[in-house]
Amino acid sequence: DAGVIQSPRHEVTEMGQEVTLRCKPISGHNSLFWYRQTMMRGLELLIYFNNNVPIDDSGMPEDRFSAKMPNASFSTLKIQPSEPRDSAVYFCASRPRQQETQYFGPGTRLLVL
Amino acid sequence: GQQLNQSPQSMFIQEGEDVSMNCTSSSIFNTWLWYKQDPGEGPVLLIALYKAGELTSNGRLTAQFGITRKDSFLNISASIPSDVGIYFCAGRRRPNFGNEKLTFGTGTRLTIIP
Repeated sequence: DAGVIQSPRHEVTEMGQEVTLRCKPISGHNSLFWYRQTMMRGLELLIYFNNNVPIDDSGMPEDRFSAKMPNASFSTLKIQPSEPRDSAVYFCASRPRQQETQYFGPGTRLLVL
Repeated sequence: GQQLNQSPQSMFIQEGEDVSMNCTSSSIFNTWLWYKQDPGEGPVLLIALYKAGELTSNGRLTAQFGITRKDSFLNISASIPSDVGIYFCAGRRRPNFGNEKLTFGTGTRLTIIP
């Protein structure tokens, strides 16, 4: 079975450019989470969706970040414009209804120069 | 954002040794979770704890939910090479899925010395 799929796996871009990260959750899962991991701040929840609806986006650092989930099988996290301090590993995770386990994707390693 | 304090930050042990790590918070959590992250991958849930004082095992792993609800502990017995990785605790304030927000610990990096 395919797990959570994230693309791209690696992204190197220049400051000011738009970055779009993509996530395909596990089929049948109804919750989707976007996390950011850095050495300094650890693993932080950015936003999560239930049934494609954003529930809590309080972790989104600023207006440069936006996330969408147009359907149950796809979500995007966009950074516009990107800054060097956005460099991190971004994880997407999905979870089945009324279960504890969040299944993490392999992550997207973003480097903003 | 708030982070849970984990200790130790890193451990260097020999294969076969037992491992203990803990996670503390200044505030109460009603659910405690332990994850393991292998290099280049996302975290994987190991154990979930829902009641103060609860002791739960998963193979060689045992975790405890502290009585004060402000801490949790993870023990690994008879470590093997595949135990290498970073272990994270995570807490959730509400005991159900209505509040999904998890606060993650700072991580404990486990290395096994040949």
